[in-house]
Amino acid sequence: QITLKESGPTLVKPTQTLTLTCTFSGFSLSTSGVGVGWIRQPPGKALEWLALIYWDDDKRFSPSLKSRLTITKDTSKNQVALVMTNMDPVDTATYYCAHRNLYCGGGGCTSFDPWGQGALVTVSS
Amino acid sequence: DIQMTQSPSSLSASVGDRVTITCRASQDVRKDLGWYQQKPGKAPKRLIYGVSSLQSGVPSRFSGSGSGTEFTLTISGLQPEDFATYYCLQHNTYPYTFGQGTKLEIK
Repeated sequence: QITLKESGPTLVKPTQTLTLTCTFSGFSLSTSGVGVGWIRQPPGKALEWLALIYWDDDKRFSPSLKSRLTITKDTSKNQVALVMTNMDPVDTATYYCAHRNLYCGGGGCTSFDPWGQGALVTVSS
Repeated sequence: DIQMTQSPSSLSASVGDRVTITCRASQDVRKDLGWYQQKPGKAPKRLIYGVSSLQSGVPSRFSGSGSGTEFTLTISGLQPEDFATYYCLQHNTYPYTFGQGTKLEIK
């Protein structure tokens, strides 16, 4: 069974740097085809994809946030970290991490599944 | 970026109704289209992948169809637990993009 859980600060001040950690079980990020993504959702708003990291350390980012994001993996700890710099109140959101498998058998099955429970981050002074 | 235009943004229906939600992509996303259900305070749950494949454990009243740029999620015979918000996701081209969501409410 695959599970993921996000952790990190619940409150950050404007201009500070946010570091979130996704700790997962049930899969390995050293397995070909596997990836972990980050998605966020401001209160009452839609989902927004942020970043992805793959087993081979390939990294992808949302162009609108690329300059502020870093994503890393620690395969030995089964963790993925997302770092977002220069936080602003508009970055207040629930941040989710999610599993992805490129080699799930085809037919478009490579979308995010499952997701972690989410971590609400509030940006306020 | 591929824009995913989802409609309607909200929908009021009764238990037992059949409802359809549409997502239109600004360019061809092939079969890389999934549908998610989200209940308040919970993470999204995948219902449909690859346009029309039902996620394991998801009731058969949920179905997906479409191709290229126009996709639909249909719920046949609404149940009380189906009242939630639904999102489409294209994962064909970076940056991956979601629809704006459809909130399904009880009439």
